[in-house]
Amino acid sequence: EAEVAQSPRYKITEKSQAVAFWCDPISGHATLYWYRQILGQGPELLVQFQDESVVDDSQLPKDRFSAERLKGVDSTLKIQPAELGDSAMYLCASSKGRFGYTFGSGTRLTVV
Amino acid sequence: GQQLNQNPQSMFIQEGEDVSMNCTSSSIFNTWLWYKQDPGEGPVLLIALYKAGELTSNGRLTAQFGITRKDSFLNISASIPSDVGIYFCAGQEGGGADGLTFGKGTHLIIQP
Repeated sequence: EAEVAQSPRYKITEKSQAVAFWCDPISGHATLYWYRQILGQGPELLVQFQDESVVDDSQLPKDRFSAERLKGVDSTLKIQPAELGDSAMYLCASSKGRFGYTFGSGTRLTVV
Repeated sequence: GQQLNQNPQSMFIQEGEDVSMNCTSSSIFNTWLWYKQDPGEGPVLLIALYKAGELTSNGRLTAQFGITRKDSFLNISASIPSDVGIYFCAGQEGGGADGLTFGKGTHLIIQP
């Protein structure tokens, strides 16, 4: 069964350092999403790509977060500088239109 | 960000019992999805609903897309130990590949 690949699975970083997460969506899925999930909450959308273009980044804290999907396939989410409040699970998902909405296993970020 | 009203927040049941949970929204949704999430993992899609009034089953799971398009229900029959986890509802307002709005989750605990 096709999967959304994410790495790393776990990341511990010090406050004010830079951190990056990688996602490879299911082949053929044009839409890619990054979500942030705080412990005890449901995931919240950070950014959505259609191919290589950003279609929704209204909830992305743009002063410190950036995301790119240069060739319309895999994607990178970066935080610089990391803050204590950024500790969360970062989830990548992909879909084919409104169908096949699949999440990866996530990256658990701890900022110390 | 907006989150759906998902109830109950937690359920303590005996193995073999049936389970019901629901999700409501102030907005109309065109898609309702139900996910299960195990600790440290990403959400796994259980059932997807695309039409108002739709009733869909997946093994012992049954979900319905409310007629008003503002609610959805998930039922689990004859619960077993591997049903333990957090169940999330998610709604999609648009007809295309929009981001999802999630509930806060229902934590299902099965007592021996």
